[in-house]
Amino acid sequence: NAGVTQTPKFRILKIGQSMTLQCTQDMNHNYMYWYRQDPGMGLKLIYYSVGAGITDKGEVPNGYNVSRSTTEDFPLRLELAAPSQTSVYFCASRPGGFPNTGELFFGEGSRLTVL
Amino acid sequence: DAKTTQPNSMESNEEEPVHLPCNHSTISGTDYIHWYRQLPSQGPEYVIHGLTSNVNNRMASLAIAEDRKSSTLILHRATLRDAAVYYCILRDRPGSARQLTFGSGTQLTVLP
Repeated sequence: NAGVTQTPKFRILKIGQSMTLQCTQDMNHNYMYWYRQDPGMGLKLIYYSVGAGITDKGEVPNGYNVSRSTTEDFPLRLELAAPSQTSVYFCASRPGGFPNTGELFFGEGSRLTVL
Repeated sequence: DAKTTQPNSMESNEEEPVHLPCNHSTISGTDYIHWYRQLPSQGPEYVIHGLTSNVNNRMASLAIAEDRKSSTLILHRATLRDAAVYYCILRDRPGSARQLTFGSGTQLTVLP
């Protein structure tokens, strides 16, 4: 199993540009998440999904959009990039239902710089 | 959501035990205590979790106070590879959709 795969690993955007961060998992997990991590800080939840076709906002959703058309994929879209969106983005997943430990599996992160 | 409080940083010598504390005085009866760690330039990884009883796995031990208002992650013999940020997190029962909230964690430095 590859686990949670994120692409790209690095990206530089100009202000106002748009892009999509890709996240895919091969563990058949129902739950998927997008977090952002600013330097020296903890992770903040952007959006999450409890299954295909179902998404919901997290703590910091403004400036982002998500979709979940399949169990495997959970892309994060930035429509009009701003310098405040410079951060490292982590995708994570976990199984739903019982029994499970609630353990989250994280990708390696996507480092985004907006200039 | 119940919050956790951790020291910003701790140091340990290599091959010595490390006790990483976490206070969670507002923990509810259904909150599980989870620990994750984040190595440099990597995503967080699960370490251990527990509800009421002390727990052991291959990575660490988790000691939970009787009143559940605090817990301690124990690394029995720290290695240089254990240098990371350690997050103590509370979450609802595993099947719940409620999400993990990561604070700033404890930066563990392991000295050779």
